[in-house]
Amino acid sequence: GAGVSQSPRYKVAKRGQDVALRCDPISGHVSLFWYQQALGQGPEFLTYFQNEAQLDKSGLPSDRFFAERPEGSVSTLKIQRTQQEDSAVYLCASSLGQYNQPQHFGDGTRLSIL
Amino acid sequence: AQSVAQPEDQVNVAEGNPLTVKCTYSVSGNPYLFWYVQYPNRGLQFLLKYITGDNLVKGSYGFEAEFNKSQTSFHLKKPSALVSDSALYFCAGPNYGGSQGNLIFGKGTKLSVKP
Repeated sequence: GAGVSQSPRYKVAKRGQDVALRCDPISGHVSLFWYQQALGQGPEFLTYFQNEAQLDKSGLPSDRFFAERPEGSVSTLKIQRTQQEDSAVYLCASSLGQYNQPQHFGDGTRLSIL
Repeated sequence: AQSVAQPEDQVNVAEGNPLTVKCTYSVSGNPYLFWYVQYPNRGLQFLLKYITGDNLVKGSYGFEAEFNKSQTSFHLKKPSALVSDSALYFCAGPNYGGSQGNLIFGKGTKLSVKP
């Protein structure tokens, strides 16, 4: 079956622009996660949804970061007034919902802020 | 603080030799632990997980991992390495201070298998 799909794969933006990153999880997966992966590092948690409810946004680095999942499937991560330090790969993952179920990752969006 | 550590930035192995990628954890309660692999410009792929039960866990592509509670380790192993195993490997565990399913990842270990 289809895996987690993220778009765009690559995004270049000028500092100060707003960007939107999309994630299509695996059908039927209740839980959806966003991670930020800096070069040479492991993924770092940003936010977590269970269906349409955003249950944890403790990892969002600033109020410029906003995520939504209005119908409990597709999710969008929005970054306003981008800064150079926002340059990273943004990974989306989905899972069946139980805490110890493996998360299935998309290939990520590589964001470069000029 | 809860953490997952991968003490080696890189592991070099000759094809056909056994490989070990190390992971130690510092999490409270009964940990559940994962290994993931990442190929260049790709997302993370699940390899295996430990929840409870047998300390030796078998996973995808011939990989296995041994959970050792006394040493707080969860090392990834494979009896005979392939060149195609060359990739970045991440160990992950729960962030009990966060939401359900919120994972903490190690910084990754680059595995290089030479022919």
